[in-house]
Amino acid sequence: ELKVEQNPLFLSMQEGKNYTIYCNYSTTSDRLYWYRQDPGKSLESLFVLLSNGAVKQEGRLMASLDTKARLSTLHITAAVHDLSATYFCAVTRAGNQFYFGTGTSLTVIP
Amino acid sequence: DTGVSQDPRHKITKRGQNVTFRCDPISEHNRLYWYRQTLGQGPEFLTYFQNEAQLEKSRLLSDRFSAERPKGSFSTLEIQRTEQGDSAMYLCASSLARTDSGNTIYFGEGSWLTVV
Repeated sequence: ELKVEQNPLFLSMQEGKNYTIYCNYSTTSDRLYWYRQDPGKSLESLFVLLSNGAVKQEGRLMASLDTKARLSTLHITAAVHDLSATYFCAVTRAGNQFYFGTGTSLTVIP
Repeated sequence: DTGVSQDPRHKITKRGQNVTFRCDPISEHNRLYWYRQTLGQGPEFLTYFQNEAQLEKSRLLSDRFSAERPKGSFSTLEIQRTEQGDSAMYLCASSLARTDSGNTIYFGEGSWLTVV
């Protein structure tokens, strides 16, 4: 079974700082996704990474994928309070079932 | 526009009762997924449909759980003889199956189930 691990599980950071969330997965996967979830809400799609070396950026978030290392990173630049949420990575195999990580709960402190 | 909608949003039921959740996917999406999420965990796959065909079921989907998508549009997830361990948020998601740039799945707001 494909396993997805994220670290850290909890992250508290000050506004204006940078940090990286890591996502490791256990076996070959064809796509990697990042989602955001606010408390009590559903999941919002952030990025889809399709190939080795893929990098995508949206605002203060940048995601990258290294398929050889089976690693994706989500980098946060100059954090602001609005980024406080739980971030999940997910991978697919054969494009059907999504396997999610346990999530990283991010709190940005003013 | 309508995204994925789920009903009811919250359900409290007594142990042993049956519950049913409904999901209406984004209209042109042919794939529909059910996931379960408990506090502090990521969503866990339960099952998915392509059109009306149920193509994959997780081992998590015990025989008390059944899902249908009779006309390839909305879907229902029924839990029979609920147990306290069934308490969770049940998420529905949909996507348009394609091979090009990644079929992102879009989630509904979820249906919270509390079994007392």
